[in-house]
Parts: sequence; structure tokens; C-alpha cells
Amino acid sequence: GENVEQHPSTLSVQEGDSAVIKCTYSDSASNYFPWYKQELGKRPQLIIDIRSNVGEKKDQRIAVTLNKTAKHFSLHITETQPEDSAVYFCAALYSSASKIIFGSGTRLSIRP
Amino acid sequence: DAGVIQSPRHEVTEMGQEVTLRCKPISGHNSLFWYRQTMMRGLELLIYFNNNVPIDDSGMPEDRFSAKMPNASFSTLKIQPSEPRDSAVYFCATVPSGRREGEQFFGPGTRLTVL
Repeated sequence: GENVEQHPSTLSVQEGDSAVIKCTYSDSASNYFPWYKQELGKRPQLIIDIRSNVGEKKDQRIAVTLNKTAKHFSLHITETQPEDSAVYFCAALYSSASKIIFGSGTRLSIRP
Repeated sequence: DAGVIQSPRHEVTEMGQEVTLRCKPISGHNSLFWYRQTMMRGLELLIYFNNNVPIDDSGMPEDRFSAKMPNASFSTLKIQPSEPRDSAVYFCATVPSGRREGEQFFGPGTRLTVL
């Protein structure tokens, strides 16, 4: 079925340390994996995405990795800052239905 | 462009009442998605439209929920009758024409409270 599993549900890291959020998906045909950030009381917004023809993508302090064989993808945030505190959602495009399925979210807290 | 517009931003109603949520997509975006967000279930896709046609409504929880998109610039999500467990934030999101990949542009959401 259409499913995206996301772990952990909550994550607390010291400011300056790295944070890693992991997701798995079930549709082997999925080829597009976006990550959204949702600040408290705000709407989700795209922060980075990756397509299946690459294994890694970086944008400043944010990186995503994709292992198509294992159907795993991860978000890495380095040198975390207070403004990184938010809920992060991974997602996968289910090709057969042309719809995005979201993971359950990870609440990231950055400790000063 | 003002982005995706949703109204109302907040709605408080009593159990049994009809609730109508509205969404105006970004001009030129022909795919529209309705999501429900709760602490317990996260971000759930309820229904989505492509070129005003409902494509997948498998996420609509019950017959009490219905959605329409009468034209390219307007969609509604209706709950009749409403129940306390419908309390959630409802988001509308749209995608540019012809693109399956790429950013979904979310509206600000409607926070619904059913007493």
C-alpha cells in the first residue's frame, strides 16, 4: 500500500550539533522525495527535494540522501540553529496515483 | 500572486452544523489537494483534483465529507454534519499545471473547532 514511515517522532539536539531524520517508503516506483518544514502555527513549506536519479543533494546546511535499493531516504541538518526548530515531514510521490504521501512528521527541538 | 488563499482562517461551530471551507488556488495551478492535520494522525491527504476533476478521494473519512471544484479558481470542502473529531487544521495545496514533481504550495490553513 501507499505508506511513508518516518523516525524519530521527536528529536532534541544541542545547538551546533547535527540532526538526522529517516524515512522509508513502500512503492518501488516512487521517484521524487520532497522534505517540508512546518514552523509552529505556519503552513508546510518545501525545503529540499531529491529525485531518484541521484543519491545525495546538498543545500547549505541541509542534505538529503536516497537509497533506492533499500527504499530509505534521510534528511541531515548540520550546525543546527534555533531557527531549525520545527516539524519536518518527508514525503514520496506515488507514481501510479500521482500523489504525494507524507510521513508522520518529526518535531525537532534545538537546545541552546 | 497572493499565494493559495483559504477561508475562513478559523472556524468554531457546534456539533451537527454544516461547515464549508474554501480554497482559491494560485493562478495557473491545475492540481489541488485538501489535507487534514491533527496531532494524532499527522498530515492526511483527503482528496485531490486535476483540472477540476476529482482524481482520488480515498482519503475522505466518511460520507459526511464532500469536496467540489466547480472551476479552476475555487474549491470547497464541506462537512455535514460536523462532529468534534473533525476538529483539525485543514490545508489546501496546489501544484503548477503539468507538474507531478515539485513544490506543493500550501495555503495558510483553516483551524476548525467543533464543540
